[in-house]
Amino acid sequence: DARVTQTPRHKVTEMGQEVTMRCQPILGHNTVFWYRQTMMQGLELLAYFRNRAPLDDSGMPKDRFSAEMPDATLATLKIQPSEPRDSAVYFCASGLVRGPGNTYEQYFGPGTRLTVT
Amino acid sequence: AQSVTQPDIHITVSEGASLELRCNYSYGATPYLFWYVQSPGQGLQLLLKYFSGDTLVQGIKGFEAEFKRSQSSFNLRKPSVHWSDAAEYFCAVGTLTGGGNKLTFGTGTQLKVEL
Repeated sequence: DARVTQTPRHKVTEMGQEVTMRCQPILGHNTVFWYRQTMMQGLELLAYFRNRAPLDDSGMPKDRFSAEMPDATLATLKIQPSEPRDSAVYFCASGLVRGPGNTYEQYFGPGTRLTVT
Repeated sequence: AQSVTQPDIHITVSEGASLELRCNYSYGATPYLFWYVQSPGQGLQLLLKYFSGDTLVQGIKGFEAEFKRSQSSFNLRKPSVHWSDAAEYFCAVGTLTGGGNKLTFGTGTQLKVEL
């Protein structure tokens, strides 16, 4: 049963600290997404990658957030420095694009619950 | 820009009763539509999707949804709700932009099931 995995599942940190969240997409998937979920804003797309290249990170605060895919099996989302307003659940999702103009479904990981105090 | 509206924030139904969750979308081109379910502390699980073809789509757990272009709607239905269906349900529209498929989510509908 292929699944997206995320680590850590929970993270509590102090304001100003660096936070790194990791995601392992489903093997063979070529597109990875990062979302943030809060009560106030709901689900927001932060960034996404195709074949490890960033396609869109317009939803991400550039001054403190960064997203990378060091290899096809790992995506990372970093916050430095973290702030209390970053407290949220961060989801990773992956999907397989089979060709240009084709749509596809996204499969979500269990999320990382981040609390910044 | 695309948008999704789920007008019902909370819905309570009795176990065994039928269910319909509403979803309206705004998008200029052919929409790709999805319903996801999120149980507490869990990620989002895909229930069903509409890409093209038959406007009535079947999903997992006995759910179905009907795409109505004239009403810009994609309502989720289940004929008989089970207590385990209590969760939050999200409708989403997928758009193909720059080769990507970005999902725009509604604000969700929290379903409570009374025994």
